[in-house]
Amino acid sequence: RKEVEQDPGPFNVPEGATVAFNCTYSNSASQSFFWYRQDCRKEPKLLMSVYSSGNEDGRFTAQLNRASQYISLLIRDSKLSDSATYLCVVILNTGGFKTIFGAGTRLFVKA
Amino acid sequence: DVKVTQSSRYLVKRTGEKVFLECVQDMDHENMFWYRQDPGLGLRLIYFSYDVKMKEKGDIPEGYSVSREKKERFSLILESASTNQTSMYLCATRASNEKLFFGSGTQLSVL
Repeated sequence: RKEVEQDPGPFNVPEGATVAFNCTYSNSASQSFFWYRQDCRKEPKLLMSVYSSGNEDGRFTAQLNRASQYISLLIRDSKLSDSATYLCVVILNTGGFKTIFGAGTRLFVKA
Repeated sequence: DVKVTQSSRYLVKRTGEKVFLECVQDMDHENMFWYRQDPGLGLRLIYFSYDVKMKEKGDIPEGYSVSREKKERFSLILESASTNQTSMYLCATRASNEKLFFGSGTQLSVL
């Protein structure tokens, strides 16, 4: 079983739609959580951190559920420019810090 | 803004050649990483370094070596390139808040 699992998609949604991605992790030593966005043939870029209390940045909301070991990303009012791959990233604290990447969820937003 | 610079965006090499991929950062981060990214496999850690002259193997170090003579520079070396090393190579640094910053990547083709 992979340490971090994401639905690869693709998710095809119309402009203006609300879309949600989940990511599950298996290691209880998981300490910190992030969502990164990666455009085609570009490098990943930090989208937002994820906190237990939930956090919002404009149209994006991230949530962490430690009991069920998953994180989520909600995108409201989707824009064409939201089309990208969204990577779930988990930091393990096992004496040293280890970064685990999900394989990513592809999103296509269509006019 | 953190800047992570990779020396080449695209590189074509022949089987058996020695290949150097250079990465330079300007934020005085101690931790630097080399990943490769392949379709369907996500990002896989090759090597990382947490200080000058210090290096640790990641998940897939075979066929690679690294060098970190100065804090700002982390080099990935393919001693004898093979076709299965054709991939996108991404360098990253990690800030104290655990956020990763990536270079723009090097798409390496080994023929």
